[in-house]
Amino acid sequence: EVQLVESGGGLVQPGRSLKLSCVASGFTFNNYWMTWIRQAPGKGLEWVASITNTGGSTYYPDSVKGRFTISRDNAKSTLYLQMNSLRSEDTATYYCTRDSPTGPFDYWGQGVMVTVSS
Amino acid sequence: DIQMTQSPASLSASLGETVTIECRASEDIYNGLAWYQQKPGKSPQLLIYNANSLHTGVPSRFSGSGSGTQYSLKINSLQSEDVASYFCQQYYDYDTFGAGTKLELK
Repeated sequence: EVQLVESGGGLVQPGRSLKLSCVASGFTFNNYWMTWIRQAPGKGLEWVASITNTGGSTYYPDSVKGRFTISRDNAKSTLYLQMNSLRSEDTATYYCTRDSPTGPFDYWGQGVMVTVSS
Repeated sequence: DIQMTQSPASLSASLGETVTIECRASEDIYNGLAWYQQKPGKSPQLLIYNANSLHTGVPSRFSGSGSGTQYSLKINSLQSEDVASYFCQQYYDYDTFGAGTKLELK
């Protein structure tokens, strides 16, 4: 059974940093691209960052480029999201997802809440 | 960036009814379109990919269609467990989502 379990969320002040983790199990982690998706309270879904299966390439939208860094440790089957210079608009539930070979996100974690507030 | 316009924003329907939700892309996405269901307090679940392919384990009352810039999700014979929000997503060029449709029972 595919499982994605996020951790590391919490309350953080604007301008500070936070690092999210996602432990994967039930599949061969180093065969899949992985992605972080976020959802602000009561809002829609927003792509945050993606990483290739080897970790050799990463992709970000302009809203987080230069502030967020996605990485992975294939030996530990773990995905990370380092978030720096956090802003109030980064407040959201962050989901770890697996990219299916055909394109969409076929498995999602339960999500972890990040609140940016003073 | 490709924009996704989803309609309606909310929908009220009766049990057994057929429901249709639509998504329009700002440019051709060549069937790179997925639909997700999100129940309250839960993470999204993949329903449809490649515009019309049913994801493993999804009931056959869900179906997807469309091409080019216009796509739709149809739910036949609405069940109580289908009450949820539904999102479309294009993955032809990076990833963008529609704003969502909240489906409630009448």
